[in-house]
Amino acid sequence: DGGITQSPKYLFRKEGQNVTLSCEQNLNHDAMYWYRQDPGQGLRLIYYSQIVNDFQKGDIAEGYSVSREKKESFPLTVTSAQKNPTAFYLCASTKGASNTGELFFGEGSRLTVL
Amino acid sequence: GEDVEQSLFLSVREGDSSVINCTYTDSSSTYLYWYKQEPGAGLQLLTYIFSNMDMKQDQRLTVLLNKKDKHLSLRIADTQTGDSAIYFCAEIYTGKLIFGQGTTLQVKP
Repeated sequence: DGGITQSPKYLFRKEGQNVTLSCEQNLNHDAMYWYRQDPGQGLRLIYYSQIVNDFQKGDIAEGYSVSREKKESFPLTVTSAQKNPTAFYLCASTKGASNTGELFFGEGSRLTVL
Repeated sequence: GEDVEQSLFLSVREGDSSVINCTYTDSSSTYLYWYKQEPGAGLQLLTYIFSNMDMKQDQRLTVLLNKKDKHLSLRIADTQTGDSAIYFCAEIYTGKLIFGQGTTLQVKP
């Protein structure tokens, strides 16, 4: 079955460490997105990529980095510069390069900083 | 900037109708969306409505759009315990999908 796979589902990190969250899709979708979800705040866009080897900052990109070396993969690195990284992270994709609003989401990764 | 607002919590009894409300600020939105998030999971697209429509019905779901007031609502008929989830409304703004804060629907047996 086609879909988006995020790993790990749960991750614990010590302060000062970088961590990388994986996102893989086999839907042959062009665009991929990373969102951060905090209770009562909805989803906020971190980064997005509409094509391989290109990506754009979203609304809260500071302290995060991404790469898009392959169409199927869009990993997110949470760096030590991110001041409050504890959150639920969601990866999504859309079929075309432009956002039609019909996003397919992964199951999410919950990051906790100890 | 663009803003999408929702109330945070709604509690209903099983079998009742649920109405989840949303307001938005960008009147040029072409489509408006409703997503559902079950506990600990990602979001799933539930339904959407084109901006030239007033209403869209899909089985137990009815979406109402009042463009004049920039108000969107999602009605769930005969609400079941399996409908317990967070519901997000969303719209496209400058090519990006903007989400509301999400409404947690609690269904009591």
